[in-house]
Amino acid sequence: EVQLVESGGALVQPGGSLRISCAASEFPVSHNYMTWVRQAPGKGLEWVSIIFAGGTTYDADSVKGRFSISRDNSKNTMYLQLNSLRSEDTAVYYCASGRDRYFDSWGQGTLVTVSS
Amino acid sequence: SYVLTQPPSVSVSPGETATITCGGNNIGTQSVHWYQQKPGQVPVLVIYYDSDRPSGIPERFSGSNSGNTATLTISRVEAGDEADYYCQVWDSSSNHVVFGGGTKLTVL
Repeated sequence: EVQLVESGGALVQPGGSLRISCAASEFPVSHNYMTWVRQAPGKGLEWVSIIFAGGTTYDADSVKGRFSISRDNSKNTMYLQLNSLRSEDTAVYYCASGRDRYFDSWGQGTLVTVSS
Repeated sequence: SYVLTQPPSVSVSPGETATITCGGNNIGTQSVHWYQQKPGQVPVLVIYYDSDRPSGIPERFSGSNSGNTATLTISRVEAGDEADYYCQVWDSSSNHVVFGGGTKLTVL
């Protein structure tokens, strides 16, 4: 069974940086579409970034230039580098994967809180 | 950017049929996917490619897509179906994943 496990969420001050991780098992991260989706408290799902099997990446306008998605095939892990964090970035960050641009496997999420 | 519009809430009685819509410009030309998120839980894919069901999803869940509206239909609604439901597409013009705002299904 596909398993995704996020880690690295923390309390960060505004303007700070953080890297969160998503470790995958039972499938190679390089073979699937991998994405980050966030959910602010009491709000809906918001797409953040995606990395294609071939390595192409795209980001939501709200995080473009501040967040960066990547992966390490040798560790079978995907990452999200979060820079210049703002209070509105506070959310649970989910990683998810799929064989196309829909997502049939989700991690449990990691909480990022941006506050002074 | 592409926008998906969902009603904030839908209410049905047990045993009835729930219909949740997802509106978008010419959405019928796109592939629509649906997720169920119960309180405190992770989203679960319930419909992909407009009308396909992942293994383990009951046949009571079905989908359709035409014109400017995609629809998720849940037949013989049960109390356990109470959840938030989100539609999702890939917008090829912007290369963005797009989610609808979500619909809260309440089982009366």
